[in-house]
Amino acid sequence: DQQVKQNSPSLSVQEGRISILNCDYTNSMFDYFLWYKKYPAEGPTFLISISSIKDKNEDGRFTVFLNKSAKHLSLHIVPSQPGDSAVYFCAAGADGLTFGKGTHLIIQP
Amino acid sequence: DAGVIQSPRHEVTEMGQEVTLRCKPISGHDYLFWYRQTMMRGLELLIYFNNNVPIDDSGMPEDRFSAKMPNASFSTLKIQPSEPRDSAVYFCASSRQDRDIYGYTFGSGTRLTVV
Repeated sequence: DQQVKQNSPSLSVQEGRISILNCDYTNSMFDYFLWYKKYPAEGPTFLISISSIKDKNEDGRFTVFLNKSAKHLSLHIVPSQPGDSAVYFCAAGADGLTFGKGTHLIIQP
Repeated sequence: DAGVIQSPRHEVTEMGQEVTLRCKPISGHDYLFWYRQTMMRGLELLIYFNNNVPIDDSGMPEDRFSAKMPNASFSTLKIQPSEPRDSAVYFCASSRQDRDIYGYTFGSGTRLTVV
């Protein structure tokens, strides 16, 4: 029973356009959320996070939005760049982190 | 800081053999986590330690899996006997806290193949 779901296994976006990655969760006890980025043969690296008391957090080209009533969060990357091609994991925290299965983002030149 | 260091990077072993994966966390991080990544299940938490003490091992799939942390700078994950379905990438991560808005720092992983 997955508590954190990323329903899109892959996403293809043209360079320069906006990439939107989505994540849904079921556990109301989660009170902070994170996005990780993973390149092949490397471990996941922390990208951006948001506390449940906020609905938006921005860091450069990356913005995370949280909709608590819908139990949904999204990561926006704008403009998308070739180096953004990676697998993105959504994670939710309460006691420890629970991860989604990841979305493979491909940025097309 | 060298980050979280895992060894070996790759391990190929025959079914039935014992496998030991190793992890050196970041100095000063009191929490250590072992995760397993598979296509089917994504990243799943196996066990985590706080100050070298196992706190939650509910994610350990079977008795064939065991983990130890004899000191603050070293942890092992052992599979005995190994089976083909154990093939996965195993990640170790460390953190100052279990609830950290900046997340955990992951190692590069050990890709295990059991044939």
